[in-house]
Amino acid sequence: AQTVTQSQPEMSVQEAETVTLSCTYDTSESDYYLFWYKQPPSRQMILVIRQEAYKQQNATENRFSVNFQKAAKSFSLKISDSQLGDAAMYFCAYRRTGGGADGLTFGKGTHLIIQP
Amino acid sequence: DVKVTQSSRYLVKRTGEKVFLECVQDMDHENMFWYRQDPGLGLRLIYFSYDVKMKEKGDIPEGYSVSREKKERFSLILESASTNQTSMYLCASNLAGPRTDTQYFGPGTRLTVL
Repeated sequence: AQTVTQSQPEMSVQEAETVTLSCTYDTSESDYYLFWYKQPPSRQMILVIRQEAYKQQNATENRFSVNFQKAAKSFSLKISDSQLGDAAMYFCAYRRTGGGADGLTFGKGTHLIIQP
Repeated sequence: DVKVTQSSRYLVKRTGEKVFLECVQDMDHENMFWYRQDPGLGLRLIYFSYDVKMKEKGDIPEGYSVSREKKERFSLILESASTNQTSMYLCASNLAGPRTDTQYFGPGTRLTVL
């Protein structure tokens, strides 16, 4: 079975600085998806960024980028120029590819605090 | 805009009651999911459905059942609620297909069982 591990229960960063959230996973599959989801307090879970395992290039979305190391099974999220609105729970998630329905396997989450 | 809605944001029930949590999506998605979110445990998959009247167990199906009579609606049922089912419940959906992946989430229902 696949597992996703987020080793940082909580992180704190000063506004405008850069922070990196860690995620490692375990799978025997060669093709899969990885995701970072953001859940602000009392608000909806939204997708931040996604990565397809067969693509070597790291995904980027504005201030958010990932460092995908397939051999090491590592998928970290870097947030540049942190803003107060980035404060949230961040979840790393895994899904194998294929045509069937498959749920996501989530890590336990990292609570990100932005210090003004 | 993509939209997944859940019938209640907050729900309080008594032990032994039958509880229905409803989820509706307006994106014509084939796949729908129910997750449970607990502090320190992340999200765990309860059940999912890939078509009307079709369902599959997830990682923690015990104590739950589901119903999907229409494509847009997916219900989670607690036959006899217990205090250990107090949790946040999240519904999600996505398109079927070999390379479709992103799941869209509803706002969640925070269920308290007394």
